[in-house]
Amino acid sequence: AQTVTQSQPEMSVQEAETVTLSCTYDTSESDYYLFWYKQPPSRQMILVIRQEAYKQQNATENRFSVNFQKAAKSFSLKISDSQLGDAAMYFCAWVGGTSYGKLTFGQGTILTVHP
Amino acid sequence: DAGVTQSPTHLIKTRGQQVTLRCSPKSGHDTVSWYQQALGQGPQFIFQYYEEEERQRGNFPDRFSGHQFPNYSSELNVNALLLGDSALYLCASSLAWGNSNQPQHFGDGTRLSIL
Repeated sequence: AQTVTQSQPEMSVQEAETVTLSCTYDTSESDYYLFWYKQPPSRQMILVIRQEAYKQQNATENRFSVNFQKAAKSFSLKISDSQLGDAAMYFCAWVGGTSYGKLTFGQGTILTVHP
Repeated sequence: DAGVTQSPTHLIKTRGQQVTLRCSPKSGHDTVSWYQQALGQGPQFIFQYYEEEERQRGNFPDRFSGHQFPNYSSELNVNALLLGDSALYLCASSLAWGNSNQPQHFGDGTRLSIL
């Protein structure tokens, strides 16, 4: 069974600074996708960034980028120039192979942004 | 373009009762998945519907059942409610079941409280 682990229950960052959220996963499958989702207090799960396992290049979306280390099964999220609106719960998620869209989520990391 | 909509927003029930939650997928999406999110935890996959059939199921008892209608909307039914069923229930939709590359779009969820 696939597992996703987020070892940082809480993180904090000063506005305009950079923070990195960690995620590791375990799978025996070779074809899969990794995601970071953001869940603000409004509850809606919002897709932040996506990485295809077959791509060596790390995905980037504006201020958000990932460090994907396939051999180490590590998938961290870097948020640059942090903004107050980035404060939320962040979830790492895995899907792939025969899971047909069944997302496996980590436990989440609460990010606090200080002005 | 309407996103995923869920109803009701919040629901209070007592132990032993039955509840039905509803979800309308994002326009153009044909696959609906349901997740249970306990407070402070990551979402857990309940089941997934495509072409009006349950395609995958997570580790949830038979008290949890669902349905998908011809217009792709879906219902989640829970019978014989337990205190442990208190959670945020998230609905997610995507296009083309079986294609893990397609991102899932989430609704705002239904907060179910069991007294």
